[in-house]
Amino acid sequence: DQQVKQNSPSLSVQEGRISILNCDYTNSMFDYFLWYKKYPAEGPTFLISISSIKDKNEDGRFTVFLNKSAKHLSLHIVPSQPGDSAVYFCAASAKAAGNKLTFGGGTRVLVKP
Amino acid sequence: ETGVTQSPTHLIKTRGQQVTLRCSSQSGHNTVSWYQQALGQGPQFIFQYYREEENGRGNFPPRFSGLQFPNYSSELNVNALELDDSALYLCASSLDGGWTYNEQFFGPGTRLTVL
Repeated sequence: DQQVKQNSPSLSVQEGRISILNCDYTNSMFDYFLWYKKYPAEGPTFLISISSIKDKNEDGRFTVFLNKSAKHLSLHIVPSQPGDSAVYFCAASAKAAGNKLTFGGGTRVLVKP
Repeated sequence: ETGVTQSPTHLIKTRGQQVTLRCSSQSGHNTVSWYQQALGQGPQFIFQYYREEENGRGNFPPRFSGLQFPNYSSELNVNALELDDSALYLCASSLDGGWTYNEQFFGPGTRLTVL
């Protein structure tokens, strides 16, 4: 039972354009959502997060949108850069479950120069 | 301040053997979580330790066990290895904040191959 899903396993985008990554969840108890970026041979690194009381959070080129009624979140990267090429994981957490993270399957992003 | 480190980087074992993976948390972090990442999938939560006690467990059998030590290090032990245990094992340390979420810092992982 996958509680967090990333339906696009890969995404290819031209440098300078927008990258949009999507994530869906099923558990209504999730109240905190995160995006992690992972390069090969490295652990996931935190990118941006959003609490369930908000619908948008921005940090530089990265913006996360949360639609609670649709149980959907998205990550926008504008403009995309070649260094953004990595695997991106969506993750969710519930207060009742402490710091436990439930991850999606990941989306591999390739930014072409 | 050093980051999260894990050892070994790679490991090859055979079915039925036992393995111990090690993690050194970021200084001052009282919580460590372990995750298993199978090829092509996202990390899956195994368990979490807080102040040397297990503090939550995912859907993994008892042959997966752990220890956390006062010096910010921890271990993941897997007994009776199966082929499906082949994966990247990640540890993540954080400072427990009670009812608020605190960022988890991940190590680079240990790649375990079971033959």
